[in-house]
Amino acid sequence: DAKTTQPPSMDCAEGRAANLPCNHSTISGNEYVYWYRQIHSQGPQYIIHGLKNNETNEMASLIITEDRKSSTLILPHATLRDTAVYYCIVRVLVTGGGNKLTFGTGTQLKVEL
Amino acid sequence: DGGITQSPKYLFRKEGQNVTLSCEQNLNHDAMYWYRQDPGQGLRLIYYSQIVNDFQKGDIAEGYSVSREKKESFPLTVTSAQKNPTAFYLCASSLNRGAGQPQHFGDGTRLSIL
Repeated sequence: DAKTTQPPSMDCAEGRAANLPCNHSTISGNEYVYWYRQIHSQGPQYIIHGLKNNETNEMASLIITEDRKSSTLILPHATLRDTAVYYCIVRVLVTGGGNKLTFGTGTQLKVEL
Repeated sequence: DGGITQSPKYLFRKEGQNVTLSCEQNLNHDAMYWYRQDPGQGLRLIYYSQIVNDFQKGDIAEGYSVSREKKESFPLTVTSAQKNPTAFYLCASSLNRGAGQPQHFGDGTRLSIL
């Protein structure tokens, strides 16, 4: 499985952009990069995913480097409600079909006034 | 609204007892998953199902069992063989098993031992 490396914690001022980095240097060509976040005692919330191209939706933007070895999740205008643990995940196939999300320990983002 | 419903939110198990966690989805998704999360750690896959009447073991299936008799339901039984069942259990579903389909999660069931 391709591993991901994220900083354990980051701080961001409310209203500013939060840029969360992720390293996935062993990613294979057909593996997607997914981002989820989890607020304490709740299920993970899907944010965005991509394969090669940069992606944007109503929640965030995902920038993937050309060599696909790293990516950055951008929350353009962070609010206090964005305080959560953010997980960068490489989606892998499992034997016999199907796939799984391998969660690491993520980045604890703290948005402050 | 469409979504994934897990129940109960909190569950207590006595020693030697089997307990069943419920997971229902009305998203018309084919694939469903069960994960376990321990404090300060990421999620680990217990079982997954790609279609009705089919399911596969994940990384930590020992001590657990599942069934998939209906498309919308994927219950997880924690048996007495699971020696360390205290954890946060999360159910997820996706449209199909393709890697480009995101998994969407319920709000979890927290299981504790009495």
